[in-house]
Amino acid sequence: AQRVTQPEKLLSVFKGAPVELKCNYSYSGSPELFWYVQYSRQRLQLLLRHISRESIKGFTADLNKGETSFHLKKPFAQEEDSAMYYCALNMGDRDDKIIFGKGTRLHILP
Amino acid sequence: DVKVTQSSRYLVKRTGEKVFLECVQDMDHENMFWYRQDPGLGLRLIYFSYDVKMKEKGDIPEGYSVSREKKERFSLILESASTNQTSMYLCASSSHAAGSHIEQYFGPGTRLTVT
Repeated sequence: AQRVTQPEKLLSVFKGAPVELKCNYSYSGSPELFWYVQYSRQRLQLLLRHISRESIKGFTADLNKGETSFHLKKPFAQEEDSAMYYCALNMGDRDDKIIFGKGTRLHILP
Repeated sequence: DVKVTQSSRYLVKRTGEKVFLECVQDMDHENMFWYRQDPGLGLRLIYFSYDVKMKEKGDIPEGYSVSREKKERFSLILESASTNQTSMYLCASSSHAAGSHIEQYFGPGTRLTVT
């Protein structure tokens, strides 16, 4: 069955320290993976997608098919990174249904 | 900019009431979705629609129904609200025209409390 696992509910990191939010997926097809972010009092929005291989707000994520992982990383955390992060898997159906992980709350400590 | 709006930010209803949550998008998107967001459970898909008058059950459709009479509007209906339906409800839309490497655009959410 298709599944997205985010093992950490809460991750606290000091400002300036590296950040890694873990995401593992289970899918037999060719995965399309995303990270969504929700800042306090803002709507959920796309942060980045694996197909673009881009860096957004200093964050990167590499798809590792061997380990079925799509971890989100940033070398130096900033206070404004505090938010709820969701890893998501698109199975490529015509209706673009997405499976979301349960989310990780990232708390940046001053 | 894509805009997805939801009719209410906060809603308080009594057990047994019929509740309507409205969602409107202005970008001519084919796909629309209703999720509920609960702490520790993430986002769970209730219903989705990939065309007018089309609807598909998501992962947790029990106790809900939907209506899509116009392309821009997707309504979520709680036939008889119960306290376990107290939650944050998020609407989203996406365009299939761009292929599957596209994002879903979310509304601001409706926090529903059923007492």
